[in-house]
Amino acid sequence: GAGVSQSPRYKVAKRGQDVALRCDPISGHVSLFWYQQALGQGPEFLTYFQNEAQLDKSGLPSDRFFAERPEGSVSTLKIQRTQQEDSAVYLCASSLVTRRGGSGFPYEQYFGPGTRLTVT
Amino acid sequence: AQKVTQAQTEISVVEKEDVTLDCVYETRDTTYYLFWYKQPPSGELVFLIRRNSFDEQNEISGRYSWNFQKSTSSFNFTITASQVVDSAVYFCALSEARGAQKLVFGQGTRLTINP
Repeated sequence: GAGVSQSPRYKVAKRGQDVALRCDPISGHVSLFWYQQALGQGPEFLTYFQNEAQLDKSGLPSDRFFAERPEGSVSTLKIQRTQQEDSAVYLCASSLVTRRGGSGFPYEQYFGPGTRLTVT
Repeated sequence: AQKVTQAQTEISVVEKEDVTLDCVYETRDTTYYLFWYKQPPSGELVFLIRRNSFDEQNEISGRYSWNFQKSTSSFNFTITASQVVDSAVYFCALSEARGAQKLVFGQGTRLTINP
């Protein structure tokens, strides 16, 4: 079946521009995560949705970052007034649920190909 | 706070050699989960394995094997008889057992298998 898709794959923005990055999770996946991966680094958590509810946004670096998932499916990560330090690959991941029944064993997260954002 | 350290930034071996990627983690939780992901040049993270903190059994899957040692907070990954297709960046990650169960990643190890 179709995996997680992200668009655009590449985005170049001038400093100060607003950008919107889209994530289409795997159909039926309840949980959706956004991560930011700087060059040569591991991904870092930004925010998490369960259906349409944003349950954790502790990783968003500033109030210029905003994410939404209004219908519990597609998600958009918006960055306002982009800065050079925002240049990174933005990864989206989805999973069925974060807990498997009562066992607490998490389902694996399936990642999309990412959007490479370059701010000039 | 949770932390994952992959001290090996880059490893380069010749095809058919065995190679071990190290992963050391820190957490105050008694229940947690450990993961390995592979990131090929295409950029998409590919799930390889997940372990529960209560299960210290080593696991083997084909040429891949994982050694989980709670006493040393390590979760090392070994590729036996490496192949060129194994070339990628490998990430070790840690997840809490509660809340969002977000992944905390190490910095990754770039593995290059030379023919």
